[in-house]
Amino acid sequence: GQSLEQPSEVTAVEGAIVQINCTYQTSGFYGLSWYQQHDGGAPTFLSYNALDGLEETGRFSSFLSRSDSYGYLLLQELQMKDSASYFCAARGSNYQLIWGAGTKLIIKP
Amino acid sequence: DGGITQSPKYLFRKEGQNVTLSCEQNLNHDAMYWYRQDPGQGLRLIYYSQIVNDFQKGDIAEGYSVSREKKESFPLTVTSAQKNPTAFYLCASSIYGTISYNEQFFGPGTRLTVL
Repeated sequence: GQSLEQPSEVTAVEGAIVQINCTYQTSGFYGLSWYQQHDGGAPTFLSYNALDGLEETGRFSSFLSRSDSYGYLLLQELQMKDSASYFCAARGSNYQLIWGAGTKLIIKP
Repeated sequence: DGGITQSPKYLFRKEGQNVTLSCEQNLNHDAMYWYRQDPGQGLRLIYYSQIVNDFQKGDIAEGYSVSREKKESFPLTVTSAQKNPTAFYLCASSIYGTISYNEQFFGPGTRLTVL
């Protein structure tokens, strides 16, 4: 079957760096995306990796290794507003995004 | 400003009733999607549409129906056949294209509660 695995919860300190991992198993693979969702809100797109390597967007970076079926989201200089759930999502061969269950990021002052 | 609107924000339904959730977008996107999210879980695809007058079932289509008569609109009907409809429903859209499908834009969601 198709699935994505990510930790359910991660805790970090304000100003620190945190990494959220994601491993995937899909029928065909057309890229790994990351989304942020605050409590009660809608997901917002953060980044997308189609090829191996690191993509950087401000304080957020995303990495992909297709040979390992693995990716991660790296958040630097953590701010309290980064407290949210983070989802990885992989697109298979049928245009559908398959979503992980989400990682709740808790930031402590 | 372009975006996706969903209405209502909160919806209460009695068992046995059909309800329709509205989704409208003015982003000129070809593809539209309906997801269901249960507490502490990821998003599960109900239906998606890549062009007007065409749509496909997602992983959990049973008990739901959709229509796509206009590019801007993709309403979802939750029928009485859906056994456990209480959930957060999210509508999304994206540009048509291999890479663009990975970047989806979401509406604010409708929280449906069955009484």
